[in-house]
Amino acid sequence: DSGVTQTPKHLITATGQRVTLRCSPRSGDLSVYWYQQSLDQGLQFLIQYYNGEERAKGNILERFSAQQFPDLHSELNLSSLELGDSALYFCASSVELAGPDTQYFGPGTRLTVL
Amino acid sequence: DQQVKQNSPSLSVQEGRISILNCDYTNSMFDYFLWYKKYPAEGPTFLISISSIKDKNEDGRFTVFLNKSAKHLSLHIVPSQPGDSAVYFCAASAKNTGNQFYFGTGTSLTVIP
Repeated sequence: DSGVTQTPKHLITATGQRVTLRCSPRSGDLSVYWYQQSLDQGLQFLIQYYNGEERAKGNILERFSAQQFPDLHSELNLSSLELGDSALYFCASSVELAGPDTQYFGPGTRLTVL
Repeated sequence: DQQVKQNSPSLSVQEGRISILNCDYTNSMFDYFLWYKKYPAEGPTFLISISSIKDKNEDGRFTVFLNKSAKHLSLHIVPSQPGDSAVYFCAASAKNTGNQFYFGTGTSLTVIP
């Protein structure tokens, strides 16, 4: 158990819909990262937040957005869903005091868009 | 643009033998490398890391080798055990990318009893 929790575990929805994925980082971790893993793909970095502020952006679509709240949990919002958005979405957290740090991953949310 | 590549999608090894997983990268600014292990239905878990100031790091049965000139790293598992069967991802980061990690596509290792 990494200490990172993600809800829900599974999500099935239809094209055009909007969903919200939630992540609670490990106690004490200020940084949250979101990744997408599609079929036969590596983890693609989407976005990073540090202590409530957006820190880095990766391959995140404009239809996707995220935020980190004062209690440090984070939400990833996916809208106007398409079939190709079906994937595993992982959240990771790290302390990030200085320099690179190890990220601890949650179990993921499997999104299926029908 | 895939900056970290794992060109072998799968690998099968007999129990007790050595498993060698390879990873290549293109960005010469990467200075920190990690290997993660992932079981089905779970998130990746950290396995071992190496800084660019080293060329080898060992932790029990796991050793990571870094060849900066070739932009290549490898993970050696000796001896391999059936419990090592998982997908292994390599990842890299650079100070100037704000701790953003770039992952390879993974290699699925099967250790045959």
